[in-house]
Amino acid sequence: LAKTTQPISMDSYEGQEVNITCSHNNIATNDYITWYQQFPSQGPRFIIQGYKTKVTNEVASLFIPADRKSSTLSLPRVSLSDTAVYYCLVGDKNQGGKLIFGQGTELSVKP
Amino acid sequence: GAVVSQHPSWVICKSGTSVKIECRSLDFQATTMFWYRQFPKQSLMLMATSNEGSKATYEQGVEKDKFLINHASLTLSTLTVTSAHPEDSSFYICSATGILAKNIQYFGAGTRLSVL
Repeated sequence: LAKTTQPISMDSYEGQEVNITCSHNNIATNDYITWYQQFPSQGPRFIIQGYKTKVTNEVASLFIPADRKSSTLSLPRVSLSDTAVYYCLVGDKNQGGKLIFGQGTELSVKP
Repeated sequence: GAVVSQHPSWVICKSGTSVKIECRSLDFQATTMFWYRQFPKQSLMLMATSNEGSKATYEQGVEKDKFLINHASLTLSTLTVTSAHPEDSSFYICSATGILAKNIQYFGAGTRLSVL
């Protein structure tokens, strides 16, 4: 399983766009990139998943360069309620989807 | 998105007793379920992977006789912490995935276990 590296923490202000970059140099051909959000004492919540290029849904965008060795989660116009830990994971979803969580990025949004 | 229900959300037990935690996929068939534990201020640690109808696969260092996992149906998996001790106190989280869930892992809300 490919290892991921993310910044330990980030600070932002309400209304700003936040970009969290994840490094996964050893990503395999069949691996997908998935991002989760976790609030204290809750299970992680699925945000977005992608394989290459750009993926956008109602809450975020995911940018993946051609070499796929990194990915960037973009949260537009964050609010205080976006304060949480964000995890980037890489795994082969055709092999049972086993994921290994890294340390995550603790995002703090200030007023 | 798909919904995974976990019960109970919080349990307190005496040392030496066993505790069962249930994980249910409510709107999809979960061919695979996962169990994690999380200590305060730490990331999730995968404990085991279970496929419906077969024995669970435990991660290195996880005692299979201590943490019994049963995945008896496509919508239910249970984790039983046997002879619990204070060091087993933790936040236990399950996740489920399946074809109809596009092989994305969806997580339950977690169970806070406190062993006195």
